[in-house]
Parts: sequence; C-alpha cells; structure tokens
Amino acid sequence: EAQVTQNPRYLITVTGKKLTVTCSQNMNHEYMSWYRQDPGLGLRQIYYSMNVEVTDKGDVPEGYKVSRKEKRNFPLILESPSPNQTSLYFCASSWTSGGGDQYFGPGTRLLVL
Amino acid sequence: AQKVTQAQTEISVVEKEDVTLDCVYETRDTTYYLFWYKQPPSGELVFLIRRNSFDEQNEISGRYSWNFQKSTSSFNFTITASQVVDSAVYFCALSDRDKIIFGKGTRLHILP
Repeated sequence: EAQVTQNPRYLITVTGKKLTVTCSQNMNHEYMSWYRQDPGLGLRQIYYSMNVEVTDKGDVPEGYKVSRKEKRNFPLILESPSPNQTSLYFCASSWTSGGGDQYFGPGTRLLVL
Repeated sequence: AQKVTQAQTEISVVEKEDVTLDCVYETRDTTYYLFWYKQPPSGELVFLIRRNSFDEQNEISGRYSWNFQKSTSSFNFTITASQVVDSAVYFCALSDRDKIIFGKGTRLHILP
C-alpha cells in the first residue's frame, strides 16, 4: 500500500530536549516536504527536498533541521524545541517537485512544555 | 511573493445546497500549479485536484467542480448538492516548481 508514515504520532516533550520526527514514503517519490498546521494559519511549509541530499527552506524554517540521506526518508529535527513549536506536523511526498500531487502522512501532534 | 487567500474562514450550509469555496492567488511565475485539499474531522489531508497554469479548463468530478480563471487569479471550488460527509476544512494551495504555499483554509459545515 502506497503511504507516507510518520512517527511518533503524538509527542509531549520539554523545552530544549532534542527530538526527531521521522517520515518515510514507499512510493519512490523525489519530492518530500514538512509542514506545520496551526489554528487560523493553515499549513506552512517548513522545509522541502527535491531529491537526495537536496533540501531547502520553506516559509518557516527557524528552529528546524532536516536531512535527506535516502530517497524514502526525510526526518524533521528540533534541536532545542520551544513552546512555540507546539503544533501539528505533516510530512508529504510527491513524484516531482511542487507540481506533483502530494501524499500526506497522518500527522504528528507535538506539545512542547 | 506567492500568496493564497481563502477569504471565507467558515461556511455553513444546509444539506443539498450548493456551495462555492473561493481561492485567490498571487504569483509572478508564469508556470505554477494550483491544488485543493480536503481535511475531514479525522485530520488527514486528502488531495482533490491539481491544475497547471496553462490549463484553464474547468473540471468536474461528480458533485465537485473547479473554476480556474487566470484573469482574476482565482481557482474556486464548488460542491453541488452538498452532503454531511463534505463537512471538512478545505485548503487551496499554490506551487511553483519547488515551494508550496497553502491558504488558511475554509471550514465547511454541512447541516443535516
């Protein structure tokens, strides 16, 4: 089954404690992306990757890191989480760059205390 | 800079009514893509449609239809004979070749 998986689905952490949210897709997609969803703000792109070892900033990259060492994986790293990073995070992938139909993961709900 | 505006924050209609969700975009690119996504109460994001900037044909898929007008930079979404299952948040999105910008979404309530 074609899918994008994210782990964990729910996470409660404390300020400053490094965390990683994993994202994996089994569709051999080139393009992957991370978004955060906040009430009243819609989805905002954090980082995206056009292919392996190619990543770039979206609209809200501050406080986040990503890597793309393999085509299928695109982890999101919060080196020192802060309460303003409390949000719902979605990973997505598509065959090609921004013009492709995106498949979204189920979301990761993060609470930073 | 790219921008997507969904001016309708929340809409409520009675079942079987038609409803149109508005989407207005801004971009300087000549090649771009427009999307609609649905987020039902369960929270997942579901792709509905993609349009590229060179294809202004309107599209109909069952009760759903989309009206793309470059002259007004709009990509509106109409649900005909709405059903309770259409209740969701709907997002319009714009992309050039790499970045993707979403609107803030329109929450649609279909009342039985």
